[in-house]
Amino acid sequence: KAGVTQTPRYLIKTRGQQVTLSCSPISGHRSVSWYQQTPGQGLQFLFEYFSETQRNKGNFPGRFSGRQFSNSRSEMNVSTLELGDSALYLCASSSDYASEQFFGPGTRLTVL
Amino acid sequence: KQEVTQIPAALSVPEGENLVLNCSFTDSAIYNLQWFRQDPGKGLTSLLLIQSSQREQTSGRLNASLDKSSGRSTLYIAASQPGDSATYLCAVREETSGSRLTFGEGTQLTVNP
Repeated sequence: KAGVTQTPRYLIKTRGQQVTLSCSPISGHRSVSWYQQTPGQGLQFLFEYFSETQRNKGNFPGRFSGRQFSNSRSEMNVSTLELGDSALYLCASSSDYASEQFFGPGTRLTVL
Repeated sequence: KQEVTQIPAALSVPEGENLVLNCSFTDSAIYNLQWFRQDPGKGLTSLLLIQSSQREQTSGRLNASLDKSSGRSTLYIAASQPGDSATYLCAVREETSGSRLTFGEGTQLTVNP
């Protein structure tokens, strides 16, 4: 069974631009969560989608948004990029809220 | 607000040693607790999941325990190997937070040959 995949793996953007990251969960998993990891803040929860509905949201500004498609694939979008958005963005999937979560390899975003 | 703390922040041991990593959480109303390892620049690899009704889980040389009432979990690694060198993270899922995980800062483990 294929694991969680994330694309692209690396991105370099400049301040003010926007970016879209993609996550494909493990086949059959309906829950997708997104996290931001930085050296200073550690792993911070962004949001969670389950069956195309946002079920939970972390404490991030509205520049961070996401969506989930009918095939459970998810995208997150960051608009008006800031230098502080440079981070490793991780996606996790699980079959339901009670189950083990599996993470993808992440997308390394660098904002210049 | 749930807070997760991991002690120690870093640990260096010689190969073959048995070791214990600690994780504590402030709100005992958790659904489960999960241990991960992370290699530099990589994603997270799930090691063990313990449901709130369980006391421990084992996988190979790894054993994780959970004391929900006291807000503590430990990860025991037997006969450590250089390949075990990584950052170990614990994360809790609360009863009312869906799939949201709250992570500790991690323990950076180095196993010296």
